[in-house]
Amino acid sequence: DTGVSQNPRHKITKRGQNVTFRCDPISEHNRLYWYRQTLGQGPEFLTYFQNEAQLEKSRLLSDRFSAERPKGSFSTLEIQRTEQGDSAMYLCASTRRPSGSADTQYFGPGTRLTVL
Amino acid sequence: AQSVTQLDSQVPVFEEAPVELRCNYSSSVSVYLFWYVQYPNQGLQLLLKYLSGSTLVESINGFEAEFNKSQTSFHLRKPSVHISDTAEYFCAVSEVEAGTALIFGKGTTLSVSS
Repeated sequence: DTGVSQNPRHKITKRGQNVTFRCDPISEHNRLYWYRQTLGQGPEFLTYFQNEAQLEKSRLLSDRFSAERPKGSFSTLEIQRTEQGDSAMYLCASTRRPSGSADTQYFGPGTRLTVL
Repeated sequence: AQSVTQLDSQVPVFEEAPVELRCNYSSSVSVYLFWYVQYPNQGLQLLLKYLSGSTLVESINGFEAEFNKSQTSFHLRKPSVHISDTAEYFCAVSEVEAGTALIFGKGTTLSVSS
């Protein structure tokens, strides 16, 4: 396994711009999760996919946020009309089995977003 | 809904001293319990987890945690820490029956000095 990868690692943008992040999970992992981590806080769940289906979305995921996993492999997270409050580390994680909650989630290094 | 409280935001200790990082959780349903570690400039890694069975679980690098259902706690301990244990430690829970997302605490920064 090469691990979960995320690109870019850092993104600086101006308020109002759109940004897109990519996550490549570990090969053959069925589930893919997105979390957000702000300074001094633990990661907070945003959404998850089982294969290409988005099965759950947190209330944190406003309508400016959209996530996709079109072929059940990599995933993208887009934020439209960014706000300064969107500045955070965005983490991606994946698990092998579809049964979920007992499985170890393997995390990527994260994408740090700074909105000026 | 579940919540996780890590009672100490920072724990400074000297090398070879024992350490305990405290974690309490709140949930109306059965949960699985996890400790994740984040070393400087690295991603989150699983340290250990409690699913069922023996309430004492151990990691490969000498950490252990004990699930205490009556006190709703899952404290992490190590009898003798090393400089290399300096990291941020996160306690997390997930719902057994239906949950998939991890609910994390705010984290505890363990700083080990010589």
